[in-house]
Amino acid sequence: DGGITQSPKYLFRKEGQNVTLSCEQNLNHDAMYWYRQDPGQGLRLIYYSQIVNDFQKGDIAEGYSVSREKKESFPLTVTSAQKNPTAFYLCASSSTSGRLFDEQYFGPGTRLTVT
Amino acid sequence: GEDVEQSLFLSVREGDSSVINCTYTDSSSTYLYWYKQEPGAGLQLLTYIFSNMDMKQDQRLTVLLNKKDKHLSLRIADTQTGDSAIYFCADLYSSASKIIFGSGTRLSIRP
Repeated sequence: DGGITQSPKYLFRKEGQNVTLSCEQNLNHDAMYWYRQDPGQGLRLIYYSQIVNDFQKGDIAEGYSVSREKKESFPLTVTSAQKNPTAFYLCASSSTSGRLFDEQYFGPGTRLTVT
Repeated sequence: GEDVEQSLFLSVREGDSSVINCTYTDSSSTYLYWYKQEPGAGLQLLTYIFSNMDMKQDQRLTVLLNKKDKHLSLRIADTQTGDSAIYFCADLYSSASKIIFGSGTRLSIRP
């Protein structure tokens, strides 16, 4: 079955620690995205990547980093510089044979709690 | 500024129609989307409409677009308990190559 997987579903970390969230897709999509979701708010774009070895900052990139070494994988690192990291993180992908950001497929999300 | 707005809650009786509304500010929208999010899950694309269309129907879903008023709606006919979820509208900007999501409308179904 084609899809996007994110692991783990729940993640707990102490303040001051970096943490990496995994995102893998087997849809052969070129573009991948990371969003943050807070209660009562829409999704906010953290980073996106249109192609391997290239990525762009979104609206709230500060305190986050990404890599795109393989087409299938787009891990997100939440660094200790992120002031309010507790949130639900969603990874998505889309085929850029269309438009960037078009018809995105989302993973199940990772809920990160930092105490 | 760039914005997409939705009301936060909607409650309907099972079997009735649900109408979820969305307003946006961008004048260069190309596509507008409706996504569904079930509890603890990611978003699922339900449907979308191109900005030069007025209406799109897909089984129980009807999307209406009033471009003059920058108003988008999603009508779900014969609402079922499985339709309970948060519904997000999203606006794809052609000029800035970005997408803006609304804050989501939580649809609850009462018996």
